[in-house]
Amino acid sequence: RKEVEQDPGPFNVPEGATVAFNCTYSNSASQSFFWYRQDCRKEPKLLMSVYSSGNEDGRFTAQLNRASQYISLLIRDSKLSDSATYLCVVNSNFGNEKLTFGTGTRLTIIP
Amino acid sequence: DAGITQSPRHKVTETGTPVTLRCHQTENHRYMYWYRQDPGHGLRLIHYSYGVKDTDKGEVSDGYSVSRSKTEDFLLTLESATSSQTSVYFCAIRRTSGDNEQFFGPGTRLTVL
Repeated sequence: RKEVEQDPGPFNVPEGATVAFNCTYSNSASQSFFWYRQDCRKEPKLLMSVYSSGNEDGRFTAQLNRASQYISLLIRDSKLSDSATYLCVVNSNFGNEKLTFGTGTRLTIIP
Repeated sequence: DAGITQSPRHKVTETGTPVTLRCHQTENHRYMYWYRQDPGHGLRLIHYSYGVKDTDKGEVSDGYSVSRSKTEDFLLTLESATSSQTSVYFCAIRRTSGDNEQFFGPGTRLTVL
């Protein structure tokens, strides 16, 4: 089983719709969780950290479920500019901060 | 913008030649990382550094070495490049405040023929 698993997609979603991704992780001792977005041929960029209490940043909401070992990302009112690959990232090695990356979920927003 | 640059941005080389990739940061971060990204795989850690002259191996370190003689520079060397090392290489830094997130450089696209 992979340490971090994501549905690769692609998700093709009409503009203005709501889309949600899930990601599961295998190490119950994982400490930190993040969502990154990566545009084609670009570097990953931090979208948001994920907290136990859940957190929201504008149209984006991230949630953590430790009991079921998954994190989620919800995008509301999707924009064309949201088209990207979304990477689920987990830190399972507290102290050295070595991150484990999912392979990403590809999202395309359709006009 | 975390002030990270990578050089070269693109390189084509031949099997068996040595290659050195450079990562440069301007914000004096202690932790630096080298990753590779390949289709079907998430980013995989090659080596990381937790200070000048302090480095350690990641999950895919075979065939790679690193050096960090100055805080701002972290070098990745392929002693004898192989076709399996064709990849996109990203350098990252970790901020030690906030959530300890990592921030990435623009990447180096390496092709080994």
